[in-house]
Amino acid sequence: DIQMTQSPSSLSASVGDRVTITCQASQDITTYLNWYQQKQGKAPKLVIYDASNLEKGVPSRFSGSGSGTHFTITISSLQPEDIATYYCQQYDNNISFGGGTKVELK
Amino acid sequence: QVQLQQWGAGLVKPSETLSLTCAVYGGSLSNVYWSWIRQSPGKGLEWIGEINHFGSTNYNPSLRSRFTISVDSSKNQFSLTLHSVTAADTAVYYCARGGIVTTFFEPWGQGTPVTVSS
Repeated sequence: DIQMTQSPSSLSASVGDRVTITCQASQDITTYLNWYQQKQGKAPKLVIYDASNLEKGVPSRFSGSGSGTHFTITISSLQPEDIATYYCQQYDNNISFGGGTKVELK
Repeated sequence: QVQLQQWGAGLVKPSETLSLTCAVYGGSLSNVYWSWIRQSPGKGLEWIGEINHFGSTNYNPSLRSRFTISVDSSKNQFSLTLHSVTAADTAVYYCARGGIVTTFFEPWGQGTPVTVSS
């Protein structure tokens, strides 16, 4: 099984801050990686697909990068509505998710 | 736009069967795979498996094979059955469009919290 490790597990940032979350795969997954945003009590929502493609309707302050085993999602200017837990998901071999990164307001 | 609405029993006794159904509105089951995913505090998000409108399925090989996913194309619905549940199956269960073939999940159903307890 491919293990997906996210860091940090949680972070606290101020409105307007640049926020970066990392996802490390246990083996090369090329760019077979997606990112989801999950707000409290809601289902996850797709944010980035294929490592760097922005899902329709998602604000342009979100961006994704990476390939191989190291990936990041960046929020260029954190907004209050971005407060959520973010998950990465690989689909190179079976499907597995990272453990999540909780983003809170400072 | 496509919307998913799911339902099923929220409390199941140990050793009994969990049954959930997901209805697809605003679109057809055709040409896409449809998945079940669960989320628990201990295991996080786990992909269970997927089905297409022909009934072709793929399951997560990492999970024990107690799951069955079925489809009723006439009703635009698909379902999840889990036999012999234990406390470890307590989770929020989601249906979603997508899976291994489509590669990402969007949209998702609202989620059904399921507790296994006597």
